[in-house]
Parts: sequence; structure tokens; C-alpha cells
Amino acid sequence: EDQVTQSPEALRLQEGESSSLNCSYTVSGLRGLFWYRQDPGKGPEFLFTLYSAGEEKEKERLKATLTKKESFLHITAPKPEDSATYLCAVHSPWGSARQLTFGSGTQLTVLP
Amino acid sequence: ETGVTQSPTHLIKTRGQQVTLRCSSQSGHNTVSWYQQALGQGPQFIFQYYREEENGRGNFPPRFSGLQFPNYSSELNVNALELDDSALYLCASTSGTIYGYTFGSGTRLTVV
Repeated sequence: EDQVTQSPEALRLQEGESSSLNCSYTVSGLRGLFWYRQDPGKGPEFLFTLYSAGEEKEKERLKATLTKKESFLHITAPKPEDSATYLCAVHSPWGSARQLTFGSGTQLTVLP
Repeated sequence: ETGVTQSPTHLIKTRGQQVTLRCSSQSGHNTVSWYQQALGQGPQFIFQYYREEENGRGNFPPRFSGLQFPNYSSELNVNALELDDSALYLCASTSGTIYGYTFGSGTRLTVV
């Protein structure tokens, strides 16, 4: 059974204080690892997909990296508008469904 | 290009009742998935539809059922509502590849 564990559960940063969020996964045959951002009361907003170990992707102040067992979401010089819950999900090809298995998320608060 | 639209946004039902939630997928997307997200948790996969057929299901009882229509819109039906069914229900669509799942803003269901 696919499993995704995110840490920390919550993180408070001062504006400009860089940090990293962790996503550890156990999956039989990774087809993709996804990062989403979710604002309160909203649906997840797609950020990145990573497919193989060593891959990196960047978007503004965010950079996602992938190893064979975990992924990191690095946030450089965050701003208050980066406050949100960040979700990690994996896709594995069991059966015929393209199911995403999500972690519980990291709730990020960036203080001005 | 419109995104994924869900209705209603909020709903209050009594235990034992039945509910239908609706989703209009993003233009060009032929695959729709439904997820349940409890407070403070990541989304959990309910089921997925491709070309009007269910092609994958998570660990949810048969009282959770769905439909997909020829225009790729979808419904989620839940019978015999229980208090634990209170959650944010998310619809996600994709064009058939694992890249770029687009989520709607969800329906907040409260069972009292």
C-alpha cells in the first residue's frame, strides 16, 4: 500500500526566513510525485510534478527536489502570501486507476 | 479555458439522508476523480471515471456512488449519510495523463 508522510505538520517562519518541507514516500513503482498548495476552503492548486530521482523544478520562491525515498519543497525568502497548506501526493499504477495518494500536508505560516 | 467547477459550495444534511454533488470538468479533460478531505487531513481517493465508466475505487463503501456523463461532467452520490461523511469533497479532472490534475474548490458537506 502506498504511503506518504509529510513533516513538519506545521511550520511558522518569519518573512525572508528560508526553510524546507519534507515528504517521505513508500510506493511500488513511482509514476510521479506531485506538490500542491491549498488555501483554506479551496481545492489544491498544482505546483510541480517530479518523475525520477535527481529531478528538480523551480517556480518563483519554491524549488522541489526528489530522491528515491523523499521529496523536499524548499522555500527561499518566503513572503506572507506563501502561507498555505502544502500537500505532497504520489501516483502509482496499481490497477487501472490513476489514484493519487496524499500526505496530511504541512501548514505553513509566514509572518510579516 | 474554464477550470473545474463544483456545486453546491456548501451543504448541510441530516444523518440518513442522501446527497448529490456535481462537478464540471475542465475543457478537454475526459477523466474525473473524486476525493474526500476531512479537516486537517489530505484528500482521500473515492473513485475515478473515464469515458463514463468507473475505472478505480478507494476504500469507500458502496453507498458512495458516481456517474460520468457524455460531456465528462460527473456526480457523486452518497446514500444513508453518516456524521463521519462531513468533509470537503473535491473533484479533479485530467486529460488522461498523470500530468496536471486540476482540482475544483470543493463542496463542504456537513452532516448533522
